[in-house]
Order: sequence, then structure tokens, then C-alpha cells
Amino acid sequence: EAGVVQSPRYKIIEKKQPVAFWCNPISGHNTLYWYLQNLGQGPELLIRYENEEAVDDSQLPKDRFSAERLKGVDSTLKIQPAELGDSAVYLCASSPGLEAEAFFGQGTRLTVV
Amino acid sequence: AQSVTQLDSQVPVFEEAPVELRCNYSSSVSVYLFWYVQYPNQGLQLLLKYLSGSTLVKGINGFEAEFNKSQTSFHLRKPSVHISDTAEYFCAVSDTGAAGNKLTFGGGTRVLVKP
Repeated sequence: EAGVVQSPRYKIIEKKQPVAFWCNPISGHNTLYWYLQNLGQGPELLIRYENEEAVDDSQLPKDRFSAERLKGVDSTLKIQPAELGDSAVYLCASSPGLEAEAFFGQGTRLTVV
Repeated sequence: AQSVTQLDSQVPVFEEAPVELRCNYSSSVSVYLFWYVQYPNQGLQLLLKYLSGSTLVKGINGFEAEFNKSQTSFHLRKPSVHISDTAEYFCAVSDTGAAGNKLTFGGGTRVLVKP
């Protein structure tokens, strides 16, 4: 069974430019998460989807960040415009539901210069 | 709201020695508890989880954890570590409510196994 797939693995952009990350969750997993992980810290939730509905986006900086989950499967996270402080690893995870753990992708390491 | 505190940011340990990583949580509802491991430049991998039942949970790679409801703790232990256990370890909680699987992580504990 394929795991959670994220692309790209690495991205370097100049500040004020837009950037997008893509996530393909494990087939059949209804819950999808996007986490932000700063260096040396634990993952912080940005947004959580149950199917195609964003049920928790309270930590998503909506002035520059947006996300979508088309047809309740793949998801895209976008930043526009990027700032230096957005440099971090963006993790996508999926879960089949309550009582189940989240399965993580390898992450996208973003560097804003 | 729920929160997780990992009391040690770094734990150096010699190979074949035991290790304990401490985790305390705060939640107004019942929780599920998880430990994840993260190797360099990788995503997180589940070590073990507590949902219900026995408070002693065994996981992969010889790790185990004990849930203590009165102390709101879920400490991770391994009796004898290997060099390959060098990694970062994250404790996480998820509430058991109908709102779904809201997973909150601690700040992590970096384990460095020395030969």
C-alpha cells in the first residue's frame, strides 16, 4: 500500500513569491492534515479536513495561506506571498478516522530567501 | 483545548542503557495517546498508541509506554537502546469526541545514543 505522497520534497523561493505544496493521502483515508514543523519543534496543525470539509483551520494564517482538498482526496496548500518566516517543513498526514493514528508523508522543506 | 508537554528537549544516553522520555498532557476530555519517531529528513512514524484497556502499551522496536490517567502522563521507555534509536520523538494526543481526530503534538525530545 502506498503511503502519503508529498511533492515537492524541497523548494527554494524568493520572498514575496507564491508557492504550492501537493499531498496525496492514503486511499480511503477521510481525514487529512497539514502541519507546519519549524526546526527543532513539534508539528503544529495548520488545517484538518474531514473528506472535503475543512473542520479545523483556526491556525491557518488566512491572509497568505490557503488550502483545498478536491473531491475529498488530494490536497494543495498554497502560500502567497511567502515570507522569510515561512521557511519550515510542511507535513501532510492522513488517517482513516477516530482511534486511528495519522500516517505522515516525508514533508516538503521550504526555504524562503 | 488540549496540550502536550515533553519535559526533556534532549536526552543523551549510552548504547545498551535504558531511556525514558517524559510526556504530560492536558485535556478537558478523554484522549487517545500516541508516540511518534522522526528520523532526519523523514516524516513521522508511529511507535505505539493507547486507545483503551491495559495502561501498558507495547510498540515497535522494543519501545513501551505507560498511561497514567491520574498524573496525565504517557512516558515512553526502552530498556536497552541502540545507535539506530537516535532520532526525535514526539508525544501526541487526540481527543475522543465526535469532532474527529484532532491530533496535537508536543515539542519533541531529541535522543542521542552514544557508543
